[in-house]
Amino acid sequence: QVQLVQSGAELKRPGASVKVSCKASGYTFTGYYLHWVRQAPGQGLEWVGWINGNTGGTNYAEKFQDRVTMTRDTSISTAYMELTRLTSDDTGHYYCARTLPGRGSGGFDSWGQGSLVTVSS
Amino acid sequence: QSVLTQPPSASGTPGQNVAISCSGSSSNIGSEYVSWYQQLPGAAPKLLIYRNNQRPSGVPDRFSGSKSGTSASLAISGLRFEDEADYYCAAWDDAHWLFGGGTKLTVL
Repeated sequence: QVQLVQSGAELKRPGASVKVSCKASGYTFTGYYLHWVRQAPGQGLEWVGWINGNTGGTNYAEKFQDRVTMTRDTSISTAYMELTRLTSDDTGHYYCARTLPGRGSGGFDSWGQGSLVTVSS
Repeated sequence: QSVLTQPPSASGTPGQNVAISCSGSSSNIGSEYVSWYQQLPGAAPKLLIYRNNQRPSGVPDRFSGSKSGTSASLAISGLRFEDEADYYCAAWDDAHWLFGGGTKLTVL
């Protein structure tokens, strides 16, 4: 069965960077996009961006353009999201989720369990 | 503020039918597929509806989706206590994804 398993909770100081991982199993990693979705405490879902599992091409939400980098290692079917210059507003759960390539007409059909990132001095 | 607009809350009693709306524009809902997600307390979101009205295997047929113009709707029939959760709509818009602000469904 499809599984997305994310790295554990992180506590970071303001101004630091964080790198979260998402290990995929149960499907062909290069056949899908992997997205990152953020959820601040008590708030809704916010799309951060996607990475093409095959080509490594990326597309980021404008809000995160200058602070986020998404990469992947196809040899271990793992995607990564690095967010720099952290502030308290970046505190929240970060989920990875899978879609088919392109417009992702099948929706986000599988989700990781979430990685809690806390930014505090 | 989300570009896809949902009511912040909805409620019903067991057995009732409820509907949650999602309003967008011609560049997202009006021309792209809509999907819906259920997020139970403390859990990751789960896909409920894709391609406007398709259910993944395992999702009860009490959940249904529809779309008309630049709006979409999630209907839940025969409400159950376990349906109490947050519900989100999502759609593609110019190479980006948008989520609605979410609707908290309370089963009274």
